Amino acid sequence: QQQVKQSPQSLIVQKGGISIINCAYENTAFDYFPWYQQFPGKGPALLIAIRPDVSEKKEGRFTISFNKSAKQFSLHIMDSQPGDSATYFCAASSSGTYKYIFGTGTRLKVLA
Amino acid sequence: EADIYQTPRYLVIGTGKKITLECSQTMGHDKMYWYQQDPGMELHLIHYSYGVNSTEKGDLSSESTVSRIRTEHFPLTLESARPSHTSQYLCASSESAGRVTYEQYFGPGTRLTVT
Repeated sequence: QQQVKQSPQSLIVQKGGISIINCAYENTAFDYFPWYQQFPGKGPALLIAIRPDVSEKKEGRFTISFNKSAKQFSLHIMDSQPGDSATYFCAASSSGTYKYIFGTGTRLKVLA
Repeated sequence: EADIYQTPRYLVIGTGKKITLECSQTMGHDKMYWYQQDPGMELHLIHYSYGVNSTEKGDLSSESTVSRIRTEHFPLTLESARPSHTSQYLCASSESAGRVTYEQYFGPGTRLTVT
């Protein structure tokens, strides 16, 4: 019940296209859902995060869509660029635990 | 830009040696974490701390130990390194306010190779 299932494992998108990465969870106590971006040889960095009181959050080209009833959330990268090529991790956390449960990661490659 | 530092960045060491991976943050965060990550793979929590003199084991069993004597410092120690310890070790920290979860800031990682 603590798992966060992430798909796809890898994704290839043409420059200018839309990249979509999905995550699903079981634990209804989760109330914080961040997405992290990681480049090779670097630590992960927060990209965008959402709490379940909203169904969508947008920051620039990055959008989180959140479906509380389906227990799913997804990251959309609009107008994908070669510089977006990285590994993306979703995560979930519940109040008071201060710990994240990470997804297994999606390796995104954007072709020039 | 997060102010969290890890040293060394790369370490190659022989089997049986004792090593300490350093992690420091200047943000005054109470909560700190150690993750183990094979390249490009998922992150596994191996230790965490909610404050000075507070340490807990994470979800992935690890032969390493940690200490938290100062808020800003959270070192990880392996008493006797083995090839199975070869991995990347990531340190993170986060602020806290009541029970609310906030962003975790990650350091650049230490890539450990045990020969």
